[in-house]
Amino acid sequence: ETGVTQTPRHLVMGMTNKKSLKCEQHLGHNAMYWYKQSAKKPLELMFVYNFKEQTENNSVPSRFSPECPNSSHLFLHLHTLQPEDSALYLCASSRESGGRREQYFGPGTRLTVT
Amino acid sequence: AQSVTQPDIHITVSEGASLELRCNYSYGATPYLFWYVQSPGQGLQLLLKYFSGDTLVQGIKGFEAEFKRSQSSFNLRKPSVHWSDAAEYFCAVGAGGGGSNYKLTFGKGTLLTVNP
Repeated sequence: ETGVTQTPRHLVMGMTNKKSLKCEQHLGHNAMYWYKQSAKKPLELMFVYNFKEQTENNSVPSRFSPECPNSSHLFLHLHTLQPEDSALYLCASSRESGGRREQYFGPGTRLTVT
Repeated sequence: AQSVTQPDIHITVSEGASLELRCNYSYGATPYLFWYVQSPGQGLQLLLKYFSGDTLVQGIKGFEAEFKRSQSSFNLRKPSVHWSDAAEYFCAVGAGGGGSNYKLTFGKGTLLTVNP
């Protein structure tokens, strides 16, 4: 699967660091999503962008800051994270948000906060 | 709000045996239903989807699922499991109409182990 790529695949950061996760989709889609996947918990939707506009912020702490410069790229900027933020962060895309739109996922970034 | 329940956290089957993974959803109208599979260290791959029409849908890798409105279920089946099917399986329901009201809600997943 190379439709949605994510970098880096693994990231270890201290609580005072600033880092960014990158997602790129090659499917011609217009909607992009960030999800958090923690052990023993369902996937949590974090942010939704549709045609570069943020349409959903699911009460995510401000230490997570998304950016969507165009429909193909999505970033998640991280700063002053907490250990409980350690998780697999998944990016997804779909033709548009809403309606019968299946989402296609990237491989994820495994984040460890020390 | 919609919800998804996958009653089985972990299932073990022998290679060549049949498989059924259960999924129940809660939503007032007809939802959009999906099954995804996640191999270790990977993202989620779409196996199949149901939007409308024929209630038995075919997916990739020999999987199928049946939508049963009366039981609010969308169970995933495969007649003969291969060792490469070992993974975690997620059922998801999309509901809420169009635009920003649409939400894709995932179950907690079922981990499938395949014995040789």
